Amino acid sequence: ETGVTQSPTHLIKTRGQQVTLRCSSQSGHNTVSWYQQALGQGPQFIFQYYREEENGRGNFPPRFSGLQFPNYSSELNVNALELDDSALYLCASSLVMEEQFFGPGTRLTVL
Amino acid sequence: QQQVKQSPQSLIVQKGGISIINCAYENTAFDYFPWYQQFPGKGPALLIAIRPDVSEKKEGRFTISFNKSAKQFSLHIMDSQPGDSATYFCAASIGGYSTLTFGKGTMLLVSP
Repeated sequence: ETGVTQSPTHLIKTRGQQVTLRCSSQSGHNTVSWYQQALGQGPQFIFQYYREEENGRGNFPPRFSGLQFPNYSSELNVNALELDDSALYLCASSLVMEEQFFGPGTRLTVL
Repeated sequence: QQQVKQSPQSLIVQKGGISIINCAYENTAFDYFPWYQQFPGKGPALLIAIRPDVSEKKEGRFTISFNKSAKQFSLHIMDSQPGDSATYFCAASIGGYSTLTFGKGTMLLVSP
């Protein structure tokens, strides 16, 4: 059984660009959630996907979008990047929602 | 509006001592309260969790105490070790297939 993996590990973009982050969920898990963790803060919920459908969304603008694929892997897309989007982006997968297992995250820096 | 308030922001404890981190929540609909441990460069890892039908849960050196009437819960780390040095987050959620609301974190340093 493999854990949650994310790619890339680090990413540097400039303002206005677009970025795609990827997540492979833990084997057998059908739910993926994405969180944004700013430096020195707790993770903040962006959205969740369950069986390829968005199943909840936090207080993030529409330029944050996502996908979940039939194998339950997921993508997070952010358009029109802003400086404040610099953060660690965490993916968490689960079967029973409360027990979320987090990946190591992707560190995004926006210059 | 911060729904889960965590304190202290940072904590220094001597090896062998007890580390105590506190959280308070506002939403009485929360019914699942996990604690996560995060090391630098890593994602949070589930440490221990509790539901409001019990007042205490213990797993090894880690204990959660839960006070439903006060809407507070705390993490106690007994016999703290330098390897426990990490950032700890409390969180809360409502029911199944729900999202986690995190506190801001406590940076714990256990001195040798």
